[in-house]
Amino acid sequence: DQQVKQNSPSLSVQEGRISILNCDYTNSMFDYFLWYKKYPAEGPTFLISISSIKDKNEDGRFTVFLNKSAKHLSLHIVPSQPGDSAVYFCAARGYNNNDMRFGAGTRLTVKP
Amino acid sequence: NAGVTQTPKFQVLKTGQSMTLQCAQDMNHEYMSWYRQDPGMGLRLIHYSVGAGITDQGEVPNGYNVSRSTTEDFPLRLLSAAPSQTSVYFCASSNAPGIEAFFGQGTRLTVV
Repeated sequence: DQQVKQNSPSLSVQEGRISILNCDYTNSMFDYFLWYKKYPAEGPTFLISISSIKDKNEDGRFTVFLNKSAKHLSLHIVPSQPGDSAVYFCAARGYNNNDMRFGAGTRLTVKP
Repeated sequence: NAGVTQTPKFQVLKTGQSMTLQCAQDMNHEYMSWYRQDPGMGLRLIHYSVGAGITDQGEVPNGYNVSRSTTEDFPLRLLSAAPSQTSVYFCASSNAPGIEAFFGQGTRLTVV
């Protein structure tokens, strides 16, 4: 069962515009959420995280929003740059802290 | 600063063969883990370790063994390779479970 879902396999945006990547989860015991970015032939790299006690976290051009009632989080990238083109994974930590679940990823393409 | 180093980068095995995927980190992290990435499935946790001498199973442990004799090293053993184990394998380490992790570059394994 996929407890973390990224329903959009791909997303294409123009340089300078906003990119919005979405993630849904089913397990209400998840208490910490992370986004990773992955370039081809490389391992994922940590991007930004949010605790379940918050609804927003910002880091430069990247903002993550959490809607606990809807079990939904989103990553906003503003403005998008061609170097942001990568696969983005959403991840969630379970209550026992060892149970990390990842979504299937969304491939973002930022066109110049 | 090497971070997390995985070897080999590529490997082809015949069904029934065994092999060990190596993982080493130089950040003195207590927590290490192994994931496999398959198309449409995201990353799935195979095994993890919270410190030297302590290991536990993740979401998809069958067919794999791990050991943790030192803080730095966390090898993953395939006991008898099967075509279903064809995947990309990532090793990760962090200061604690379920937080921002550093990933290796991955090992692409093909079992024929």
